[in-house]
Amino acid sequence: GNSVTQMEGPVTLSEEAFLTINCTYTATGYPSLFWYVQYPGEGLQLLLKATKADDKGSNKGFEATYRKETTSFHLEKGSVQVSDSAVYFCALGRSEKLVFGKGTKLTVNP
Amino acid sequence: DGGITQSPKYLFRKEGQNVTLSCEQNLNHDAMYWYRQDPGQGLRLIYYSQIVNDFQKGDIAEGYSVSREKKESFPLTVTSAQKNPTAFYLCASSAQGRKDYGYTFGSGTRLTVV
Repeated sequence: GNSVTQMEGPVTLSEEAFLTINCTYTATGYPSLFWYVQYPGEGLQLLLKATKADDKGSNKGFEATYRKETTSFHLEKGSVQVSDSAVYFCALGRSEKLVFGKGTKLTVNP
Repeated sequence: DGGITQSPKYLFRKEGQNVTLSCEQNLNHDAMYWYRQDPGQGLRLIYYSQIVNDFQKGDIAEGYSVSREKKESFPLTVTSAQKNPTAFYLCASSAQGRKDYGYTFGSGTRLTVV
């Protein structure tokens, strides 16, 4: 079946540090891949997405590349800010229904 | 602007009461979903609907009920049969048949049993 595995958190970084949150998936065919972000007390917001192999999604300094050969979609940011503190969810879509990872909590300290 | 509206933002329920959470969207999306989120946990699917007047159980449907009488609306009722309803509830919608589209989420309702 379809599934998503994210690195377990929590992740704690200092401001301006480099961020990687690992995400791997299992799926048949060619899913779309997504990263969502959830700030405290809020719903999830789409951060970025990629719909085919080798696509790179990017937004707000975050990037992720759809790697079919390694079935991965790792989230990266070169220099995190305190305002990036949130929970990040990786997800895959084989139809309109998404499969989510368990989420990774990121805390960025000044 | 199009979006999803969940109300209320905070809801308190007494033991033995049913409560209904509202979810309305003006995105013209066919599919709608309800998720439950517990502190420090991921998302668990309660119910989903892909078309008006039809819905399917998710992974944790026991103690919950839904209706889908209009395309725009997908209310969730938390019944007294749900033994531990205190949680954050999220509604989402998506475009039917569009695997590249993803979900649009509401801002959530926090339900507390008092």
